[in-house]
Amino acid sequence: DAGITQSPRHKVTETGTPVTLRCHQTENHRYMYWYRQDPGHGLRLIHYSYGVKDTDKGEVSDGYSVSRSKTEDFLLTLESATSSQTSVYFCAMRRKDTQYFGPGTRLTVL
Amino acid sequence: GENVEQHPSTLSVQEGDSAVIKCTYSDSASNYFPWYKQELGKGPQLIIDIRSNVGEKKDQRIAVTLNKTAKHFSLHITETQPEDSAVYFCAATMYSGGGADGLTFGKGTHLIIQP
Repeated sequence: DAGITQSPRHKVTETGTPVTLRCHQTENHRYMYWYRQDPGHGLRLIHYSYGVKDTDKGEVSDGYSVSRSKTEDFLLTLESATSSQTSVYFCAMRRKDTQYFGPGTRLTVL
Repeated sequence: GENVEQHPSTLSVQEGDSAVIKCTYSDSASNYFPWYKQELGKGPQLIIDIRSNVGEKKDQRIAVTLNKTAKHFSLHITETQPEDSAVYFCAATMYSGGGADGLTFGKGTHLIIQP
């Protein structure tokens, strides 16, 4: 299995609270990604990173920010969570052309 | 940006029969097309991929074909088994030298293998 983990695996929070999801890789790869998965939408790209402190927006970036201070960690932050951000969040790392996905974080915003 | 359409959304086949899932893409510059399998409660796992300089690729019971002119690609699973039951996603992207390039996914196909 690819060395990529996510924490927490499940989280329930209230509208308006900040939330940070963590993605950790053990393989020192340059590229990392955050996606969200919703019924009827497949997976959609939120943000991605191409190196430490180098990040850019994806298709559905509104309401999200990211940070990457170390190669192995890529953080996704919801500054003020909304119910529309209830979703399953997947992190991925890229080895050559292939993106390997973590196990996901199920986030519920009440 | 890229748009990927996937059909059908649900596919039910008898065990031992073949299954075919089809995807179309919009950006003729896309050059990498992976297929992922997702089981309940897990992250997507790559099962096969194809690059734009290849028309077909096979790995045991799984094959992918690509028609660049028509901008569509298909997943073929032969001799289906119960463990093939899952949700399958196609994706597309244009990998350029040094670029990060996220994947654009289809909406998924729920494959059901009937015993």
